Formats: sequence, structure tokens, C-alpha cells
Amino acid sequence: DVKVTQSSRYLVKRTGEKVFLECVQDMDHENMFWYRQDPGLGLRLIYFSYDVKMKEKGDIPEGYSVSREKKERFSLILESASTNQTSMYLCASIPGRGEKLFFGSGTQLSVL
Amino acid sequence: GQNIDQPTEMTATEGAIVQINCTYQTSGFNGLFWYQQHAGEAPTFLSYNVLDGLEEKGRFSSFLSRSKGYSYLLLKELQMKDSASYLCARAGNNRKLIWGLGTSLAVNP
Repeated sequence: DVKVTQSSRYLVKRTGEKVFLECVQDMDHENMFWYRQDPGLGLRLIYFSYDVKMKEKGDIPEGYSVSREKKERFSLILESASTNQTSMYLCASIPGRGEKLFFGSGTQLSVL
Repeated sequence: GQNIDQPTEMTATEGAIVQINCTYQTSGFNGLFWYQQHAGEAPTFLSYNVLDGLEEKGRFSSFLSRSKGYSYLLLKELQMKDSASYLCARAGNNRKLIWGLGTSLAVNP
């Protein structure tokens, strides 16, 4: 069965902390995505990667970075967490264009 | 969402039929997705349309008109568990999807 796994379901961090959100997929997918979802704003793309060590900015990359050292793992990094980064973070992967996205279960991050 | 419009909220009664509409910008169109999302959970795939017409999958059907930039999701025999947000997303020429803001559907007894 297809699986996208996010390391934490809930996370509480303090302002200024460095935060790592991990995502692993077991489907050998080329493309991986990080979204955040906020009430009234929908799903917004932060970064995506279409190959190992490749990354592209999405619509709201500011305050975030990513790492894709292995095909199955795509990490989102908040260099210095701020309260406005409190959100639901969703990782997703896709085998190719025109294919459906498979989502992880999400990480609800609270920055205090 | 960027160039994707769907109603914010809808209400329907258990056992009824509801149609959720989605309009989108037609340039560079490469398919239209519908996802269901229950509160606090990740979106789950419902349907994908790339050609005109109606595709039926059990109680859920999805329709596409490429020339009109229009799609709808039809839910029949509504159940309480169908209360959720329904997201419309357009595929373009790149790997990114353009998402609507979602339609929150409340099914009442």
C-alpha cells in the first residue's frame, strides 16, 4: 500500500528554534511537495522537489528551506521558527505529471 | 486559490444529492482533481478528470467541461460522514497543482 509518512503528528516549538519536519515516501516517487494549510487560505505550496538534490520554490518559501538528499526523504526546515508559522504542514508525493497526489497525515505545528 | 473558484460553504440533508461546482482558468489545463478532507486530516483523492464528461464512482461523480473551465462533484445519497471539505485542484503544464480554497459541506440529519 502507498505510504507517505510524516515524522510527527503534533509539534510544539518556541520562537527562534530550528525545526525539522521529516517526510518519507515508499513509492519511489520522483516528485515531493511541502504545503501549509491555514483556515481561509487553503493549501499553499512552500517548496517542491522533482529529483534528489533538486528543489524549487513554491508560492511561500520565505522562512523555510528544504533538503532532499535521498529520493524517499524530503525535509522541511524552519531556520528560526516564528509564531506566524503555526500551521498544518502537509507533505505529498506524486509519481509524475497528471498523477494524483499522495498526502502524509500532516503535522500540526504550534510555535509559541 | 489562484484562478480557481468554488463555493465556501454548502449545507445539505442526509439522503439528498449535492453538487459542488468549481471554475478554473483554462490556459495550460492538464486535468482537474477533487479531494475530500475531513477536519484535522490530510486530503484524500476522490477523482481526476482530463476529458469532458461525467465519471461515476459509486455515490460520487465528477464532471468536466474543458471549454467552459468548469467542473462539478456530485454526491448522492448523502451520509453524515460526507461532512467534510471538498477541494478542487487544477493541473497545469508543470508539476504543481493550483488549489481552490475548498467547499465546506455540512450534512444535516
